[in-house]
Amino acid sequence: RKEVEQDPGPFNVPEGATVAFNCTYSNSASQSFFWYRQDCRKEPKLLMSVYSSGNEDGRFTAQLNRASQYISLLIRDSKLSDSATYLCVVNMYDKYNQGGKLIFGQGTELSVKP
Amino acid sequence: NAGVTQTPKFQVLKTGQSMTLQCAQDMNHEYMSWYRQDPGMGLRLIHYSVGAGITDQGEVPNGYNVSRSTTEDFPLRLLSAAPSQTSVYFCASSFRNTEAFFGQGTRLTVV
Repeated sequence: RKEVEQDPGPFNVPEGATVAFNCTYSNSASQSFFWYRQDCRKEPKLLMSVYSSGNEDGRFTAQLNRASQYISLLIRDSKLSDSATYLCVVNMYDKYNQGGKLIFGQGTELSVKP
Repeated sequence: NAGVTQTPKFQVLKTGQSMTLQCAQDMNHEYMSWYRQDPGMGLRLIHYSVGAGITDQGEVPNGYNVSRSTTEDFPLRLLSAAPSQTSVYFCASSFRNTEAFFGQGTRLTVV
């Protein structure tokens, strides 16, 4: 089983749609969770961190369910500019017992159409 | 505002050649990592470092070596390039349990 798994995608949605991405992780000791965005195989960039209480940034909402080891990202009112690949990222503890090893899901491609 | 700097941006190698991908960061991050990205595979961790002199293997370490003699630099060495190492390589750095910052990537083709 992969350490971080995402919906396979791609998602093709019309402008204005609401789209949800889901991600599961295997290591219950993980402490930090992120959603990254990647455009056309450029470098990934942080979209938002994911906190236990859930967090919102404009049209974007991230949720964390530690019991189910599940992370989600909701995008409301999709824009053409939201078209990109969305990557779920989870930190894993390494053999030095430090949480700096970031493991990526395989990414879900989103295409927003006019 | 340099952040994470990777060189070169593009490289073509012949099978069996060796080369070093350079990565430098100026944010005093303790963590540095190398990833490769292949179509449909997301980013896979090759090697990472938790500080100067300390490195460990990631998910796909075979065929690659790393060392970290300073906080700033984390080079990735391909010992004997193979066509299976054709990929896009990203270097990243971070503090513990925080977001990672990425370089712009190196597009490597092995023929």
